[in-house]
Amino acid sequence: DGGITQSPKYLFRKEGQNVTLSCEQNLNHDAMYWYRQDPGQGLRLIYYSQIVNDFQKGDIAEGYSVSREKKESFPLTVTSAQKNPTAFYLCASSHGAGGTNEKLFFGSGTQLSVL
Amino acid sequence: AQSVSQHNHHVILSEAASLELGCNYSYGGTVNLFWYVQYPGQHLQLLLKYFSGDPLVKGIKGFEAEFIKSKFSFNLRKPSVQWSDTAEYFCAVNTISGNTPLVFGKGTRLSVIA
Repeated sequence: DGGITQSPKYLFRKEGQNVTLSCEQNLNHDAMYWYRQDPGQGLRLIYYSQIVNDFQKGDIAEGYSVSREKKESFPLTVTSAQKNPTAFYLCASSHGAGGTNEKLFFGSGTQLSVL
Repeated sequence: AQSVSQHNHHVILSEAASLELGCNYSYGGTVNLFWYVQYPGQHLQLLLKYFSGDPLVKGIKGFEAEFIKSKFSFNLRKPSVQWSDTAEYFCAVNTISGNTPLVFGKGTRLSVIA
């Protein structure tokens, strides 16, 4: 089945620890995105990447880092600098970024909680 | 930068009632508009989209939305809701003048009761 796979489904972080959320897609999409979903806040863009080896900050990039070494993979690291990391993280992809190509396909999400 | 406002945080309706969820955006240029839906325990998925042409667009499961350019609005409607429409609904926008990712509203939670 084609789609987006996020892992793990649940993740717990200790104080001062960096954690990495995985996102893999087999849709051959150029663009990938990370959104953070908080109750009552909707989806807020953390980072996005339109091509391999390139990525841009979204609205709330502080305390996060990403890499895009392969077209199918876009891992997100939540660093210790992110003071409020508890949230539901959604990865998405699209054929292109912007314009009429912007139908997003979403993964099932990772719930990150702080111990 | 564009932004999206969804006026209702939580809407509760009885089955067969009519639905209208408000969505307004702020951007002076040409936009693409979307409604996404997140059913309980499922992935976010596209409900409908507007790029150009007829401002009344129809989506899956009997939903429709009307783009009113003068009001910067893209309200979602359904004449008669079902219990299975219980979900969270997100309005989103992006611009066609440059490669900008989607900007989402805060979402509206719809609860349909029998």
